[in-house]
Amino acid sequence: QVQLQQSGPGLVKPSQTLSLTCAISGDSVSSNTAIWNWIRQSPSRGLEWLGRTYYRSKWYTDCAVFVKSRITVNPDTSKNQFSLQLNSVIPEDTAVYYCARGGWGTTAGLFDSWGQGTLVTVSS
Amino acid sequence: EIVMTQSPATLSVSPGERATLSCRASQSVSGNLAWYQQKPGQAPRLLIYGASTRATGIPARFSGYGSGTEFTLTISSLQSEDFAVYYCQQYSDRPPWAFGQGTKVEVK
Repeated sequence: QVQLQQSGPGLVKPSQTLSLTCAISGDSVSSNTAIWNWIRQSPSRGLEWLGRTYYRSKWYTDCAVFVKSRITVNPDTSKNQFSLQLNSVIPEDTAVYYCARGGWGTTAGLFDSWGQGTLVTVSS
Repeated sequence: EIVMTQSPATLSVSPGERATLSCRASQSVSGNLAWYQQKPGQAPRLLIYGASTRATGIPARFSGYGSGTEFTLTISSLQSEDFAVYYCQQYSDRPPWAFGQGTKVEVK
């Protein structure tokens, strides 16, 4: 059974970079049948898909348009984990951030396993 | 982008009663619709996928129906552990994957 364990700071200053990591057990970040996602949740914006990374003979990454200029999602095969970096954060980026596993093919956007969530507050 | 709309925002139901939640997509998502349950302080949990298939370990009192743009989640006899917020989500085609705003099922 796959488990996702998130880590990272809960407080980030405005204009700085939010960095989170999601450690995977029970599956591989290099799996050909899984996709690794970041999703956030806030009272004002609800659940928002942010971005993903996956391996299909080579590494792919894509992200939501509204954060495309600020976001990086990277795999770390040596530690079997993946990360989120969100640059130039503003108070509106305050949210609970989740990592989640998606399937492949028609279930690419179906999230069957989630991390525990990290509340990230953007404040000086 | 596909927009998901859930109704009602809050549903007040007595334990043992039936609850029916609705979800509408702004364009067809075929059968690529999932339902999640979220309790306070927890991550969402996958309940239903493919509009009507229960995920592993989900009790039979949860059922999903629909295709195209109209979907429902029914909880046949509410148990105490079922009071939570429920989200629908489309996973048709490609990102961005959209979630509904949620329906809170509360004790009447």
